[in-house]
Amino acid sequence: ETGVTQTPRHLVMGMTNKKSLKCEQHLGHNAMYWYKQSAKKPLELMFVYNFKEQTENNSVPSRFSPECPNSSHLFLHLHTLQPEDSALYLCASSQGGGDYNEQFFGPGTRLTVL
Amino acid sequence: GEDVEQSLFLSVREGDSSVINCTYTDSSSTYLYWYKQEPGAGLQLLTYIFSNMDMKQDQRLTVLLNKKDKHLSLRIADTQTGDSAIYFCLSFSGGYNKLIFGAGTRLAVHP
Repeated sequence: ETGVTQTPRHLVMGMTNKKSLKCEQHLGHNAMYWYKQSAKKPLELMFVYNFKEQTENNSVPSRFSPECPNSSHLFLHLHTLQPEDSALYLCASSQGGGDYNEQFFGPGTRLTVL
Repeated sequence: GEDVEQSLFLSVREGDSSVINCTYTDSSSTYLYWYKQEPGAGLQLLTYIFSNMDMKQDQRLTVLLNKKDKHLSLRIADTQTGDSAIYFCLSFSGGYNKLIFGAGTRLAVHP
């Protein structure tokens, strides 16, 4: 248990569905991250939020829409996804700010797009 | 369980080469990655190597893999102050359920 939880753990959706992934951290951190781990590609950083402000968007398609309502919660809203978006989506959190901060990862949501 | 180990700290002079080492235990690793973390930022992929390769070169970066000893290294030629960061070694195997991080090596570059 790292103090970072993700729900659901598994999700199967059609290309026309809209769904959301949820991440919650209980560590008092101020930065949260979304990563994508595909079967055949390296771990990719998608979004970074520092103190609820989005500070990084790594050229992610608009069909992925992040939301950070407070420092403890991070959502990834999904709509009209493609089969190649099937992957493990990992959330992480850290202290935040401008220093080196260890990231704590959640267990991930395994997403399958049909 | 499976593990990835790295030394925690490395200090080099600007212009010298840096070598960051990593050992891993998972014999089913198919990819080995190096990620860089700068202050306040997420992990960014630097380079990676397939487990059936011995070496990969990418500009100033050279990755060497000794699969028999399960040892991976990252060499940065002509190290610059902008290379100061934490470097993470990652082992990834099979499908996407075995992703193992090292603790990270903090590289400090001084004039």
